[in-house]
Amino acid sequence: GENVEQHPSTLSVQEGDSAVIKCTYSDSASNYFPWYKQELGKRPQLIIDIRSNVGEKKDQRIAVTLNKTAKHFSLHITETQPEDSAVYFCAASPTGNQFYFGTGTSLTVIP
Amino acid sequence: NAGVTQTPKFQVLKTGQSMTLQCAQDMNHNSMYWYRQDPGMGLRLIYYSASEGTTDKGEVPNGYNVSRLNKREFSLRLESAAPSQTSVYFCASSAQGRQETQYFGPGTRLLVL
Repeated sequence: GENVEQHPSTLSVQEGDSAVIKCTYSDSASNYFPWYKQELGKRPQLIIDIRSNVGEKKDQRIAVTLNKTAKHFSLHITETQPEDSAVYFCAASPTGNQFYFGTGTSLTVIP
Repeated sequence: NAGVTQTPKFQVLKTGQSMTLQCAQDMNHNSMYWYRQDPGMGLRLIYYSASEGTTDKGEVPNGYNVSRLNKREFSLRLESAAPSQTSVYFCASSAQGRQETQYFGPGTRLLVL
């Protein structure tokens, strides 16, 4: 099956700086890559996703890039704010309804 | 709209006991999912139901059974709970099913002693 690796596991940045989280996947059939944000004690919520026919997608301060050849994708958060502090999960989906998640990155934005 | 709801929020079981986790969605979604979340391991898919009347195994199905009762409801059953099943369980749903946005419920925290 698919194997998704996520780095780093923890990340601290100063408010206003950028944060980058990276994921790699193993199954070349994966073609959908969502990112979820999970605040402490809350449910995961989708923040952005990208499909394999697109190399980059941006939504305000959040962007995702995809390199299919290298099998990696990254989440970029610019101008970080304290409310960005959370655990972020990447995921990859090869086909249908199967989703494989990374192990999460705990992001702390220091005011 | 309540979205995706789960009951109970928290449960303590003894080893060998059984229980059913309930999930319901009011978004008219076709697909529903059960995940477990363990520290340092992210979310792992237990079972999913692509549409009413169908269920399929995910990554970690052993020790669990599911029932898609109707389009709204998808339950997860532990027949004989084990300490290794201590986890937070999330139900999710999506509209069309194939690689669409998943909406998660609030989670059920299960402790097996």
